[in-house]
Amino acid sequence: GAVVSQHPSWVICKSGTSVKIECRSLDFQATTMFWYRQFPKQSLMLMATSNEGSKATYEQGVEKDKFLINHASLTLSTLTVTSAHPEDSSFYICSAVGSQETQYFGPGTRLLVL
Amino acid sequence: AQSVTQLDSHVSVSEGTPVLLRCNYSSSYSPSLFWYVQHPNKGLQLLLKYTSAATLVKGINGFEAEFKKSETSFHLTKPSAHMSDAAEYFCVVPLRGGATNKLIFGTGTLLAVQP
Repeated sequence: GAVVSQHPSWVICKSGTSVKIECRSLDFQATTMFWYRQFPKQSLMLMATSNEGSKATYEQGVEKDKFLINHASLTLSTLTVTSAHPEDSSFYICSAVGSQETQYFGPGTRLLVL
Repeated sequence: AQSVTQLDSHVSVSEGTPVLLRCNYSSSYSPSLFWYVQHPNKGLQLLLKYTSAATLVKGINGFEAEFKKSETSFHLTKPSAHMSDAAEYFCVVPLRGGATNKLIFGTGTLLAVQP
């Protein structure tokens, strides 16, 4: 139980295009989901908190107009990287809060912007 | 503010020998603490968590950690390393209280297990 999936697992796109990443809780409902970013050989940095039915809360330094988050249902949150640039290339990881207040993490999405 | 410091970026052990991954925390109150493991190209998996109950916490795959308030430490140990333990390990503290709040990750410790 408590499985979180992400789609796609990896994506390559051209600079200037937008990319949507999905995060799904497969066997539980999650009012709260989180989006993280991980650069090579570095730790995870929280980007934003996604709450079902309300606007996401962004961490300081994260551009909300660039990283659009939508949490339209209790099992799905999406992160859209708009007008992607090479510096947006990274590993994006989501988590969903399940029972006993435990965060369950997705397998991550590797984004490469050319 | 809460924070965690992982003292070693890399640890290398031989298969069958003990594992020690060190973590120190800083918090203005008694925190919850977690250890997560990340295998290559896989999602983070919760190894164990401390939530102010027993100070010695047992997790999955034979790992355990001891909360020591006097030393502000939460080191992760395993008596005998297995090749499958090779991965990156993160010590984590919630910003405020439980995991529904923001998680603050340590910088990670990469564990290598030599045959």
